[in-house]
Amino acid sequence: EDQVTQSPEALRLQEGESSSLNCSYTVSGLRGLFWYRQDPGKGPEFLFTLYSAGEEKEKERLKATLTKKESFLHITAPKPEDSATYLCAVQGYGGATNKLIFGTGTLLAVQP
Amino acid sequence: ETGVTQTPRHLVMGMTNKKSLKCEQHLGHNAMYWYKQSAKKPLELMFVYSLEERVENNSVPSRFSPECPNSSHLFLHLHTLQPEDSALYLCASSQEWAWDTEAFFGQGTRLTVV
Repeated sequence: EDQVTQSPEALRLQEGESSSLNCSYTVSGLRGLFWYRQDPGKGPEFLFTLYSAGEEKEKERLKATLTKKESFLHITAPKPEDSATYLCAVQGYGGATNKLIFGTGTLLAVQP
Repeated sequence: ETGVTQTPRHLVMGMTNKKSLKCEQHLGHNAMYWYKQSAKKPLELMFVYSLEERVENNSVPSRFSPECPNSSHLFLHLHTLQPEDSALYLCASSQEWAWDTEAFFGQGTRLTVV
């Protein structure tokens, strides 16, 4: 069964303090791994898609990396506006469905 | 704004009420989705419509009834709900019901069943 586990559940950083969020996954053949950002009271906002081990993508202070078992979302010198819940999801080749399997997210709080 | 609009933003309903959630997208997408998001739980896919045809129904109770009258509009009809159905209901759309498809989410409807 496809599964996604995100850690930590919550992370509090000082402004400028770099860190990483983890997304471990089990999937029968990875089609894609997705990162989303969700602000309170809003729907998730797409950030990145990664397809194969070794791939990296960057957007401002965020960099996503992928291995065969996990993905990391690195946050460099975060600012308070980076505070949000970060969601990871995978899409696999197994079965007839194309649906995304989401993790429970990491709640990031960046303090000034 | 993502181009996906949901109404209402908040809804409180009794267990005997009937209400509907509405979703609208003007992105020209062919696939639309309903997700349920409960506290401390992953987003849970409920229904998928591709080109106005339902292609996915994830064992959702019959008290939830989706409707897709055209490719821009999606409804979720609710009746005789239970308190455990209280959650954030998210609508999303994507270009196609296929892999490598970036989904655009609406703001969600916060539903409280009393």
